[in-house]
Order: sequence, then structure tokens, then C-alpha cells
Amino acid sequence: AQSVAQPEDQVNVAEGNPLTVKCTYSVSGNPYLFWYVQYPNRGLQFLLKYITGDNLVKGSYGFEAEFNKSQTSFHLKKPSALVSDSALYFCAVRPGRYGYQKVTFGTGTKLQVIP
Amino acid sequence: DGGITQSPKYLFRKEGQNVTLSCEQNLNHDAMYWYRQDPGQGLRLIYYSQIVNDFQKGDIAEGYSVSREKKESFPLTVTSAQKNPTAFYLCASSTGGHNSPLHFGNGTRLTVT
Repeated sequence: AQSVAQPEDQVNVAEGNPLTVKCTYSVSGNPYLFWYVQYPNRGLQFLLKYITGDNLVKGSYGFEAEFNKSQTSFHLKKPSALVSDSALYFCAVRPGRYGYQKVTFGTGTKLQVIP
Repeated sequence: DGGITQSPKYLFRKEGQNVTLSCEQNLNHDAMYWYRQDPGQGLRLIYYSQIVNDFQKGDIAEGYSVSREKKESFPLTVTSAQKNPTAFYLCASSTGGHNSPLHFGNGTRLTVT
């Protein structure tokens, strides 16, 4: 069975500092990995995805993520945090196979950027 | 603008009543999904549909029903058989491609008392 772990319920970072939100996964075969962001009482918004190729993926709003196959991780990063980045972040994985494949979400990490 | 519209944003019902949540998309996506979000539990899949007139149960389908009579619409009915219906419900769609991201609506918060 596939799974996603986001080990930190909350991450606090000062504005202007770099941020990292951690994600590890378990899936058979090659993974397709995604990050989403959710603002209060809103739906999730897609940030970025890793399918294949370069291990460093760039996405929306200055976010990037690094795929590490040996550590089965896909950590979300940003060089300089903004207060407006404060939100709930979800990592998700699906098997990289054809046909319908279930997407599994992590439990989310609340990012708090402190002014 | 293309997107997914969920209505209503807030819904209140008495225990024992069925209630239907609306989800409409104008993205021309083939696949649609219903998720339930509870604090600290992430998103759990209720039902999904890959094409019109076809849908499949997700991980927590008991007490829920859906229909997919039109490509753009995927309503979810929360029946009285659902033991803990109070939650935030999210509808999503995708092109159906195996590497395509999900596009989400802004959710319906259902409170059953």
C-alpha cells in the first residue's frame, strides 16, 4: 500500500528565512509526487509536481521541491519565506503507472511565517 | 475563468436527513473526485468518476452516494447512514492523465446536529 508521511504538524519560520516542509513516501514503482497548498476554508491549490527528470522541481510562488529517491523524500523548499506563505501544505503521491491510480495525501503541515 | 464550483459553502442539517452537495466544473475534465477532510487526517477519497455515467467507490464510500449524468457535474449525497457526516467536503477534477494534478473547488462545510 502506498503512503505519505509529513512528520511535522507545524513548521514555524521567520519571514525572510528559508523554509523546508518535509515529506517522505512509500509507493511501488516510480512515484508521481505533488505538493498542494490550502488557505483557510478554501480548496487545495497545486504547487508543483515531480514526474521524472531533474530532481529539483520548481513551482508556483517561488516554491521548489527536491526529489531524493534513495531517501524516498520530496521536501518542499523556499529560499525566503513570506508571511503570505502561511497556510496548510499537503504532499501527495500516486504510482507512476497507466490507468487509474489512487492519489494518497499526507496529513498536512501547517506553515506559520512569523513577521 | 475555468474552475470548479461547489455549493453551498456552508450547509447545516439535522441528523437523519439526506443532503446533496453540488460540484460543477467547466474545465472539460473527464475525471472528478470527492474527498472528505477532517482535522489531522488529510484528505480521504469518497468516490471518483473517470468518465460520464461511471463512478467507483473510494476508501470511505459508506453512507455516501454520487451520480455522474453530465461531464461537468458530480453531486454527492450524504445519507442518514453516514455516522459522522460533519466535515469539510472537497470536490476535485483532473484531465485523467496519470501525471495530471487535481484541481479543487473551495469546499462545502457540512454541519449535522
